[in-house]
Amino acid sequence: AQSVTQLGSHVSVSEGALVLLRCNYSSSVPPYLFWYVQYPNQGLQLLLKYTSAATLVKGINGFEAEFKKSETSFHLTKPSAHMSDAAEYFCAVSRFGNEKLTFGTGTRLTIIP
Amino acid sequence: KAGVTQTPRYLIKTRGQQVTLSCSPISGHRSVSWYQQTPGQGLQFLFEYFSETQRNKGNFPGRFSGRQFSNSRSEMNVSTLELGDSALYLCASSSSETRAADTQYFGPGTRLTVL
Repeated sequence: AQSVTQLGSHVSVSEGALVLLRCNYSSSVPPYLFWYVQYPNQGLQLLLKYTSAATLVKGINGFEAEFKKSETSFHLTKPSAHMSDAAEYFCAVSRFGNEKLTFGTGTRLTIIP
Repeated sequence: KAGVTQTPRYLIKTRGQQVTLSCSPISGHRSVSWYQQTPGQGLQFLFEYFSETQRNKGNFPGRFSGRQFSNSRSEMNVSTLELGDSALYLCASSSSETRAADTQYFGPGTRLTVL
């Protein structure tokens, strides 16, 4: 069975500061890992995905994530937070890219002006 | 390309009623998955359809069912609604051409409120 754990249900950072959202996974097979973002009253938007091609994955809106097998982690980072980054972020894992996704519990990101 | 569309966006029903939600995938996508999002349980997989066949199913009671049509559009049905069925129901589509490299793209969801 696969699972993901997101540490910190709420994270607050100042505008311009580093954003770090944590995700650890558990998988019996090489996983496919995803980060999605959800704005209020909207669906999920794909930020980036890891499919074993490269350990450092760059996504949209300046976000990136690094796959670390030794730490079973896939943390999401952004060098400089913007007010528009305020949203809920979900880490997800699947066996294949389009097989059912198992989501973490989400991290709500608040940006302090 | 137009994204995944879901109708209706909002629904209010009463306990015991049934409801049908609709999802139109991205043009050319053949796989449609459904997820339920609630504050208590988070995002949970309901089922996936590919070429009109259910390919995978989550751990939900039989009151939750779905189907897919030949044009890849999908519907999900919930019968005998319970208060706990109040949730945001999300549909996701993928091309399913190559399972490994594929990605699910989500629609805006249908917000179901059961009174």
